[in-house]
Amino acid sequence: GQNIDQPTEMTATEGAIVQINCTYQTSGFNGLFWYQQHAGEAPTFLSYNVLDGLEEKGRFSSFLSRSKGYSYLLLKELQMKDSASYLCAVVDSNYQLIWGAGTKLIIKP
Amino acid sequence: SQTIHQWPATLVQPVGSPLSLECTVEGTSNPNLYWYRQAAGRGLQLLFYSVGIGQISSEVPQNLSASRPQDRQFILSSKKLLLSDSGFYLCAWNPAGQGHSPLHFGNGTRLTVT
Repeated sequence: GQNIDQPTEMTATEGAIVQINCTYQTSGFNGLFWYQQHAGEAPTFLSYNVLDGLEEKGRFSSFLSRSKGYSYLLLKELQMKDSASYLCAVVDSNYQLIWGAGTKLIIKP
Repeated sequence: SQTIHQWPATLVQPVGSPLSLECTVEGTSNPNLYWYRQAAGRGLQLLFYSVGIGQISSEVPQNLSASRPQDRQFILSSKKLLLSDSGFYLCAWNPAGQGHSPLHFGNGTRLTVT
């Protein structure tokens, strides 16, 4: 079967750095997405990785290792508005999106 | 620019009543269209997707159905709602033939079946 694993919940302090991990086992791989979802709202796109390595986008970076079936989302200089759920999703060999259950990130002052 | 509209934002319906949720996309042609459901604290569950008018693929057997009567219109329906149909319903699109491109979501419909 296909599976995406993420921690259910994480807590971090305002101004700090947090790393949200995602491991996957899927039928093939055609890329990995990270989305942000604030409570009661729709997900919004953060990043897409298809090659190994780190992609940096302002305070947010995303890393991929295809050989390890592993990705992480790194958030720097945390702000209260970063409190949200972060969803990892993998595109499989049929170009279907396989979603993780999401990681709820709580930011404390 | 492309926009996606989904309505209504919230809905409270009794068990056994019908359902119709509508989604329209503007500013693009022949998009891939999707209906997802998200239960509280859960990930996204793909319900239906469509690559063209009248072309609907169902991912999960249930009492829901979808239709695409026009290129940029996607409708989710049910003849008789169940309690288990409660959840957050999301419509989404991405460009045709680009399965690796990001999904753009509507604002969602929070459905409560009582």
